Amino acid sequence: KQEVTQIPAALSVPEGENLVLNCSFTDSAIYNLQWFRQDPGKGLTSLLLIQSSQREQTSGRLNASLDKSSGRSTLYIAASQPGDSATYLCAVRYGGATNKLIFGTGTLLAVQP
Amino acid sequence: GAGVSQTPSNKVTEKGKYVELRCDPISGHTALYWYRQSLGQGPEFLIYFQGTGAADDSGLPNDRFFAVRPEGSVSTLKIQRTERGDSAVYLCASKRGSSDTQYFGPGTRLTVL
Repeated sequence: KQEVTQIPAALSVPEGENLVLNCSFTDSAIYNLQWFRQDPGKGLTSLLLIQSSQREQTSGRLNASLDKSSGRSTLYIAASQPGDSATYLCAVRYGGATNKLIFGTGTLLAVQP
Repeated sequence: GAGVSQTPSNKVTEKGKYVELRCDPISGHTALYWYRQSLGQGPEFLIYFQGTGAADDSGLPNDRFFAVRPEGSVSTLKIQRTERGDSAVYLCASKRGSSDTQYFGPGTRLTVL
């Protein structure tokens, strides 16, 4: 069964800290992996998408890495800010025509001012 | 509106009732997805439309759930004989045919009493 797991489930850090969120997947034959941000009452916002042939992607203070062989991805957030507080979801797409995403359970991040 | 919209934003119903949830995708997006997100969980795939047809409905939990997209744009998710376990946030996403990026709506929070 294709499963995606995220740890930790929740994380609280003081403003300014660098932090790492973890995502693991059971089937390494992925097509791509995405990191999303979810704010209460709002839809998901795509942060970074890594194709299976790539090792990492960067956008501003965010850096996502992918290690297919070990079934892992990390999202690194530099110099965290209170506005980064949200739930972060990892989602894997496997091959096939559907393009459906398999999501992890998310990490709830709170950045304390 | 440039994004995916969903109505209603909140729906409270009684056990056994019928409900309809609506999704307006981004104009021109041929692919449309429905996901369900239970409390504390990541979104789970329900159904995928390519144009007017349901190309993959493998995520629908049982025959009480049905979705349509008659003109290849707006989609309606229909739930018959609602049960308390159907309570969740129902998310809709759309994308252009060849794109990897799904754009999510804000969701409809369904509460079955």
